[in-house]
Amino acid sequence: EDKVVQSPLSLVVHEGDTVTLNCSYEVTNFRSLLWYKQEKKAPTFLFMLTSSGIEKKSGRLSSILDKKELFSILNITATQTGDSAVYLCASPRRPNNAGNNRKLIWGLGTSLAVNP
Amino acid sequence: DVKVTQSSRYLVKRTGEKVFLECVQDMDHENMFWYRQDPGLGLRLIYFSYDVKMKEKGDIPEGYSVSREKKERFSLILESASTNQTSMYLCASSLRLVRPEQYFGPGTRLTVT
Repeated sequence: EDKVVQSPLSLVVHEGDTVTLNCSYEVTNFRSLLWYKQEKKAPTFLFMLTSSGIEKKSGRLSSILDKKELFSILNITATQTGDSAVYLCASPRRPNNAGNNRKLIWGLGTSLAVNP
Repeated sequence: DVKVTQSSRYLVKRTGEKVFLECVQDMDHENMFWYRQDPGLGLRLIYFSYDVKMKEKGDIPEGYSVSREKKERFSLILESASTNQTSMYLCASSLRLVRPEQYFGPGTRLTVT
């Protein structure tokens, strides 16, 4: 059965720390991996990774995919209290007969708390 | 910017009531999704629609139905609400073929008493 597993489930750090969040996957016909940030409301899209070893970067956030070892990491440097959120990763499921592969398999998320 | 809106942020209903949750997206996306999110269980797909009047069951469709009469609108219906349907309900949309990322509405926190 396809699955996406995130670790750790929760993390507490101090402002200024660097954190690494992990996402491992077992997905048939893997195509891509997505990262989301969820604060008090809806998840917002951060990155999509499709190629191994290519880093995606946005400000203090960066992410990389390892297709050989089947995992991705999300790094946050110089953390701020505004980074406190649940971080989710997901991967598209195997396409149905109509070729539509847009259902996602979701991890349970990592809850990050950044203390001042 | 993609905008997905949901009809209510908070809703309180009684057991046995019929409940309608509405979702509207303004980006001409073919795919629309209804999820529920519960602590420790993550995001679980209830129903998915890939075109007008087309729908597929997700992982937990029991007790729910959906309607998609127009491309921009996707409704979730709880035929007879029960207390175990108390949850956060999230609607999302995405393009059919180009990219897989989904864009979410703000969510509806439903409490069934």
